[in-house]
Amino acid sequence: AQTVTQSQPEMSVQEAETVTLSCTYDTSESNYYLFWYKQPPSRQMILVIRQEAYKQQNATENRFSVNFQKAAKSFSLKISDSQLGDTAMYFCAFMKHQVGQGAQKLVFGQGTRLTINP
Amino acid sequence: NAGVTQTPKFRVLKTGQSMTLLCAQDMNHEYMYWYRQDPGMGLRLIHYSVGEGTTAKGEVPDGYNVSRLKKQNFLLGLESAAPSQTSVYFCASKRRGYIQYFGAGTRLSVL
Repeated sequence: AQTVTQSQPEMSVQEAETVTLSCTYDTSESNYYLFWYKQPPSRQMILVIRQEAYKQQNATENRFSVNFQKAAKSFSLKISDSQLGDTAMYFCAFMKHQVGQGAQKLVFGQGTRLTINP
Repeated sequence: NAGVTQTPKFRVLKTGQSMTLLCAQDMNHEYMYWYRQDPGMGLRLIHYSVGEGTTAKGEVPDGYNVSRLKKQNFLLGLESAAPSQTSVYFCASKRRGYIQYFGAGTRLSVL
């Protein structure tokens, strides 16, 4: 079974700083997907960024980028020029690639509560 | 486009009562999922469905039942609520790609 571990329960940085959230995972699969979801106080789960394991290039979405280290099974999220609106719980998640009508379930980490201070 | 809609948003139950949570999606998605979120544990999969008329157990299915009679709806039932089922419940759906779209969640308290 796959597991996802986020070792930082809480983090806090000043506005405009850069922050990196850590995520490690354990799997015997070679083809899979990794995600970072953001959950602001509204509770809505918002997809921030995704990475396909077969792609060596790290994904980027505006101020958000990842450092995907497949051999080390590490998937960290970097937020550049942090903004007050980035304050949220961040979840790392894993999904095994399945051919056909497989369940394609998400396995989540415990979450990191990020606070951006003015 | 409403996306994934969960009703109700909040509910308080007494131990032993029953209730049904409704998840509705208007994106014609094949797959639907129910998760629960507890402090310090992330989201855990309760049940899921890969198509109309099908359901399967996830990681924490005990005490819950589900039904997918219509493609757009996925119901989560609690037959006899227990305090351990106090949680925030999320529904998600997706098509045959790999991105799941989430509803806004239902906060359930069982006293």
